[in-house]
Amino acid sequence: DAGVIQSPRHEVTEMGQEVTLRCKLISGHNSLFWYRQTMMRGLELLIYFNNNVPIDDSGMPEDRFSAKMPNASFSTLKIQPSEPRDSAVYFCASSQSGFMNTEAFFGQGTRLTVV
Amino acid sequence: SQKIEQNSEALNIQEGKTATLTCNYTNYSPAYLQWYRQDPGRGPVFLLLIRENEKEKRKERLKVTFDTTLKQSLFHITASQPADSATYLCAYNQGGKLIFGQGTELSVKP
Repeated sequence: DAGVIQSPRHEVTEMGQEVTLRCKLISGHNSLFWYRQTMMRGLELLIYFNNNVPIDDSGMPEDRFSAKMPNASFSTLKIQPSEPRDSAVYFCASSQSGFMNTEAFFGQGTRLTVV
Repeated sequence: SQKIEQNSEALNIQEGKTATLTCNYTNYSPAYLQWYRQDPGRGPVFLLLIRENEKEKRKERLKVTFDTTLKQSLFHITASQPADSATYLCAYNQGGKLIFGQGTELSVKP
């Protein structure tokens, strides 16, 4: 397996534009996490899916952010409209949910710059 | 609220010495803790998991301890090498979520 695949790797967009980040999970994994990483706040959990169902979205900053998981292997994170404060590296990670075996595998991240 | 804290100051050590990184947690009793390594421009990579009933876990030059009384985990790298330079993050699992600390940057000088 190629691991968790994110696209694009880099995205530069103007304030107000819609941004869509994509993530392909590792085959057989059923948990999906979206994180945002900044120098100030570290790695923050935005939303967590299990078996394609959003379980906890309490970390999503505001209504401008939305995430979907249309099938078991793919997820999107959308920001509409984007703002400069959304600039960060966004990671998705997947794992096999289970009581003790929840090591997460991360993608390479998408570096988002909103100007 | 639950918190997981790591020393935000970078740790600088000489090659060959043992590096010790600290992870403290409050207001929660995780069943286990995980440690990850992150290199610049890359996603975190899993290193070790330790359960609450395990006092210590080892993997090659890495050792992790878990003290549920002190609410603390220590991460040791023995015989450190410049290639060990990276940011190390601890994390705990709360329900299905994985919550990370801020990470500690380690720099090993030759």
